[in-house]
Amino acid sequence: KAGVTQTPRYLIKTRGQQVTLSCSPISGHRSVSWYQQTPGQGLQFLFEYFSETQRNKGNFPGRFSGRQFSNSRSEMNVSTLELGDSALYLCASSLDVRVLSGYTFGSGTRLTVV
Amino acid sequence: AQSVTQLDSQVPVFEEAPVELRCNYSSSVSVYLFWYVQYPNQGLQLLLKYLSGSTLVESINGFEAEFNKSQTSFHLRKPSVHISDTAEYFCAVSERDDKIIFGKGTRLHILP
Repeated sequence: KAGVTQTPRYLIKTRGQQVTLSCSPISGHRSVSWYQQTPGQGLQFLFEYFSETQRNKGNFPGRFSGRQFSNSRSEMNVSTLELGDSALYLCASSLDVRVLSGYTFGSGTRLTVV
Repeated sequence: AQSVTQLDSQVPVFEEAPVELRCNYSSSVSVYLFWYVQYPNQGLQLLLKYLSGSTLVESINGFEAEFNKSQTSFHLRKPSVHISDTAEYFCAVSERDDKIIFGKGTRLHILP
């Protein structure tokens, strides 16, 4: 079956712009989590969605937001981009909120802010 | 809140030598523990996990990790590394169905 699909793979934006990243989970998976990966900070948790509801949120400013649709696809949005937002954004899906069911990661979207 | 510390950001090791990647966690409750591996330009893949039961867990490619509750550690080991093991390894913790929190990663460099 198809894995977790993230689009686009690469993105270059200018400071002050906004960006929307998309994540299509594995078919049947209802939980989607987002992480920001940078060389200095590693993976930092952004948020988790389950059945269209935000279940958990990390310590990121309000410029970072997300949502999940009825088909479990998820988007995250970053407004007023800053240079420090340059990172690899990873999406992970799982069957449900139980960690036991396992996370499957996508290959990520690499965002560069210039 | 849970947290994870990976003590080494980079570990160089000669091919066919043993390796240990260290991981310590902090949590006030019972946890699940994971090791993920990331190859260049790819997402993370689950290597192994501790949920309960036997404290020694193994992966299919020769890695093993041991859960030590008293030392709050979950170190990853392999008795003989191969060039294909070159990757970044992430230790992670979850407080029982809460979000998964990752360490900052350890880059494993295999020297010929």
